[in-house]
Amino acid sequence: DVKVTQSSRYLVKRTGEKVFLECVQDMDHENMFWYRQDPGLGLRLIYFSYDVKMKEKGDIPEGYSVSREKKERFSLILESASTNQTSMYLCASSFGQINEKLFFGSGTQLSVL
Amino acid sequence: AQKITQTQPGMFVQEKEAVTLDCTYDTSDQSYGLFWYKQPSSGEMIFLIYQGSYDEQNATEGRYSLNFQKARKSANLVISASQLGDSAMYFCAFPPYGGGGFQKLVFGTGTRLLVSP
Repeated sequence: DVKVTQSSRYLVKRTGEKVFLECVQDMDHENMFWYRQDPGLGLRLIYFSYDVKMKEKGDIPEGYSVSREKKERFSLILESASTNQTSMYLCASSFGQINEKLFFGSGTQLSVL
Repeated sequence: AQKITQTQPGMFVQEKEAVTLDCTYDTSDQSYGLFWYKQPSSGEMIFLIYQGSYDEQNATEGRYSLNFQKARKSANLVISASQLGDSAMYFCAFPPYGGGGFQKLVFGTGTRLLVSP
């Protein structure tokens, strides 16, 4: 069975902390994505990566960075967490074709206090 | 900018009835695709169905079907014979082909479906 695994289901951090959200996929997918989900706003794309060490900004990259050193792993980094980054974070992956479906992880609910 | 709209924040349906969840989109591209995902309370997004803009027939997957009207730019999801397990958030999504060739899904705001016994 295909799998996208996010390291934490729930995370509580303090303002100003550096936060790492990890995502691993076992499907040899080229593309990986980070979305955040907020009530009433749907899912918004933060960053995506189409190859190792390659990254592209999504619609809301401010305050975030990403790292993809290995094909199976895509990390989202909050350099200095703020309360407005409290959200559900969803990682996804897919093959390279543009009409391929995304496979999602179960999400990380991050609370920044 | 390409945009996708779900105007129903919540829908109620009785078990065994059919329900239609609305989705409209805005694009100047001629070739594109539309996805529907389900998100149960567990949080994981589950792929339901895909429609390509040049597909001649409306997509169907079991109890799910798409009412795709290209001229109206709508791709409504129809769930037949609703079950209690269909209670979830439903999102339509749209990979804009104009996005430099990269696959970046744009999601609607979602519709929460509640199926009652």
